[in-house]
Amino acid sequence: DTGVSQNPRHKITKRGQNVTFRCDPISEHNRLYWYRQTLGQGPEFLTYFQNEAQLEKSRLLSDRFSAERPKGSFSTLEIQRTEQGDSAMYLCASSLGQYDNEKLFFGSGTQLSVL
Amino acid sequence: SQQGEEDPQALSIQEGENATMNCSYKTSINNLQWYRQNSGRGLVHLILIRSNEREKHSGRLRVTLDTSKKSSSLLITASRAADTASYFCATPLGAAGNKLTFGGGTRVLVKP
Repeated sequence: DTGVSQNPRHKITKRGQNVTFRCDPISEHNRLYWYRQTLGQGPEFLTYFQNEAQLEKSRLLSDRFSAERPKGSFSTLEIQRTEQGDSAMYLCASSLGQYDNEKLFFGSGTQLSVL
Repeated sequence: SQQGEEDPQALSIQEGENATMNCSYKTSINNLQWYRQNSGRGLVHLILIRSNEREKHSGRLRVTLDTSKKSSSLLITASRAADTASYFCATPLGAAGNKLTFGGGTRVLVKP
């Protein structure tokens, strides 16, 4: 399967712990996005990469959040000192990155629960 | 903040009926996209309509766009139980339009 892959699917952690999520985009896709979605809401943009360059970060992405895409392939999203308000579904998406206004291909997400 | 807002928030219909949901947005756009999300899963792209298009069809889906009213509608005809999902409109932000912002979604339940 060559879709967007996210790991883990579920993560339960205690408040104050650090967590890291991984996203493997579709192999020929140059753009990679992170979104956060809470129950009953639409996805909220966090950040996106064009190849290895992080081009934009939302104000939602506090200093406790960091995202990387070191070789322009997979990406990681780390949350340090987790808080209960961080509980959400974290979605990764990718697109070709050749044109503007492309459609996004989403992974199944990582559901984070902070106790 | 989210640019698009869907209406209604929830919709319950019988299999075979049509489902219509609307999306309103705030700023000028050059395209609008619709996505579907099954419970606990990622979003799946359904259709993209450009600002110079008024209507677009894809299978049982029909999308309209009225840029003067800053609104779009998604019609699902002859609904099936498998259409049960949340539907989101998404609009681009930024000069290149490479960042999509999503509305709050319409939750559609199709009863068999």
